[in-house]
Amino acid sequence: AQKVTQAQTEISVVEKEDVTLDCVYETRDTTYYLFWYKQPPSGELVFLIRRNSFDEQNEISGRYSWNFQKSTSSFNFTITASQVVDSAVYFCARNTGRRALTFGSGTRLQVQP
Amino acid sequence: DTGVSQDPRHKITKRGQNVTFRCDPISEHNRLYWYRQTLGQGPEFLTYFQNEAQLEKSRLLSDRFSAERPKGSFSTLEIQRTEQGDSAMYLCASSLATGLNYGYTFGSGTRLTVV
Repeated sequence: AQKVTQAQTEISVVEKEDVTLDCVYETRDTTYYLFWYKQPPSGELVFLIRRNSFDEQNEISGRYSWNFQKSTSSFNFTITASQVVDSAVYFCARNTGRRALTFGSGTRLQVQP
Repeated sequence: DTGVSQDPRHKITKRGQNVTFRCDPISEHNRLYWYRQTLGQGPEFLTYFQNEAQLEKSRLLSDRFSAERPKGSFSTLEIQRTEQGDSAMYLCASSLATGLNYGYTFGSGTRLTVV
């Protein structure tokens, strides 16, 4: 199986700090998709971003930004000026075949007021 | 449409009992997926349907597990003779069949505890 590794199990920051969540993936494919999801305490996985392997441009959406580095097989996620509402577990994922997603083990982010 | 609904939210059962979970996808979505998430881990793919056809099953889906989507709308996931190792969150997701779009919408899951 082509793994997704999120080495940071838990990160704690104080509100307004910037924080980067790391994601490294394995791939033998030339075409693939990468994702980030947020899982708040309610349990529902909330889609944040999808990126295909041909698009290496970094993306910014409000306080969120993503850095895709194909050369190092990484797809890192940065939250700028973190807020308490950002506290959640964040998952990085990639497609496996045409339908399924393979998720990393997640990074729990705690933002302290 | 309020999204993907799963019922029940929580289920506690004794080892050896059978349990069934239900998922109602977003109405216009023709693809439906089941994932399992154990504590401290990411979700793991179990199976997926396109309309009523079950097109892919993971090796995780042992013969005690069966999923159906009889009319291409809601789906059920049944676990027979539950074991303590089945304790997990069972997540359902749905999407439109648009190639590699992967526009999944997940439900809030059913948390199963086997005692």
